[in-house]
Order: sequence, then structure tokens, then C-alpha cells
Amino acid sequence: DAGVIQSPRHEVTEMGQEVTLRCKPISGHDYLFWYRQTMMRGLELLIYFNNNVPIDDSGMPEDRFSAKMPNASFSTLKIQPSEPRDSAVYFCASTIPAGGGYTFGSGTRLTVV
Amino acid sequence: GEDVEQSLFLSVREGDSSVINCTYTDSSSTYLYWYKQEPGAGLQLLTYIFSNMDMKQDQRLTVLLNKKDKHLSLRIADTQTGDSAIYFCAERGTGGGNKLTFGTGTQLKVEL
Repeated sequence: DAGVIQSPRHEVTEMGQEVTLRCKPISGHDYLFWYRQTMMRGLELLIYFNNNVPIDDSGMPEDRFSAKMPNASFSTLKIQPSEPRDSAVYFCASTIPAGGGYTFGSGTRLTVV
Repeated sequence: GEDVEQSLFLSVREGDSSVINCTYTDSSSTYLYWYKQEPGAGLQLLTYIFSNMDMKQDQRLTVLLNKKDKHLSLRIADTQTGDSAIYFCAERGTGGGNKLTFGTGTQLKVEL
């Protein structure tokens, strides 16, 4: 099993540009989570899906952020337009309901200049 | 809402034991977790404990749970330089959705 796969690993973009982050969860995991990590705020849950359906998006900062999960093996987090304060590491994680904890991807380090 | 707190920093000498502490507020927590994050990497699940257990041991790791005081600790025996990382405590309540609430993380520095 390759684990949770995120791409790209690093992204540098200019303010105002659209950014798309990608995640492939572990096969068979029916929960998928998007987190953002910054020094100031630590780990923040942005949104999570169950069986491809968004369940709770209350952590999404504002309308510039959107997330989709078109099928069980792929999810995207889009920021449009991006701003310097969006600079952070974005993690995707997946799990099953049995309580064994999340498996995290390696993250995407986003820098908006 | 749920809250999980940890001290921010711990420094120990190589070979000593490390104890990282965590407190949480959700009395309905079902599982509690410890994650390790090395620089530039994602969070790696180290171990977890079910809420009806007091202790769990896994090689150099010992997890202690005091449910009455809502206190969780992670002891690392014979701490090595490779244990230097950020350690996150997390709890899973019964609120549904399989959501975990993470603490702020404790940075463990192992000195020679």
C-alpha cells in the first residue's frame, strides 16, 4: 500500500493565482480529511468527506477555498484567488471508522508570494 | 467544544526517558492517539489507546491514560536522537464523523 499520496510536494505561486492541491487516499478508506498546518495556528481541520460526500466544511476559511471528491480515490483542494496568508502546509488524511487513527500524506508546502 | 492541550517543548538527554503530557476536555473520548511528525514530513501514527484501558506498552513506548483527570501521557524509554520530532496528542469523541481533535504538539529535542 502506497499510503496517502499528495501532490505537489511544494508549490510556489503568486498572489491572485489559482492553486489546486491533490490527494489520493488509501484504497478502502471512506473518510478523507484536509488539514492546514501553520506555526501560528497549528493543525486546523478544513473539511472532511465520508463516502465522497462533504460532511463538515466549517473549517474552510472563506469562499476562496473549495474542496471536491469526485470519486473514492481522488480529492482536490482549490484556492482561488490565493493570498500570502494561505501559505502553509496542507495535509490530506484518510481513515476507516474502526478507530485505528488517520493515515496522513506527506503534505503540500504552499508558498504564496 | 473539545480541547486538547500539550506543553510546547521538552528537552532530554540521549538515553533518558521522555514523558510527554496531554490533557483533554471531552469526557466521551473513545480513542486517544499519539502521532509523531519529523521535519518536512506528515504525521505518523505511533500508538493509540482505547478509553477503557489505563496503559498500553509497545516496545519503548508506554501510554498512560487517567480518564478521571482526562490526562494522557507518552513515555519514551531510552530516548534517541532519532526521536527528536513534534509529538501530537489527539482524541476522538463520540460526536460522530470520525473526527480527531489534535493538540498543539510538543517539540521533543534530544541532546547528546
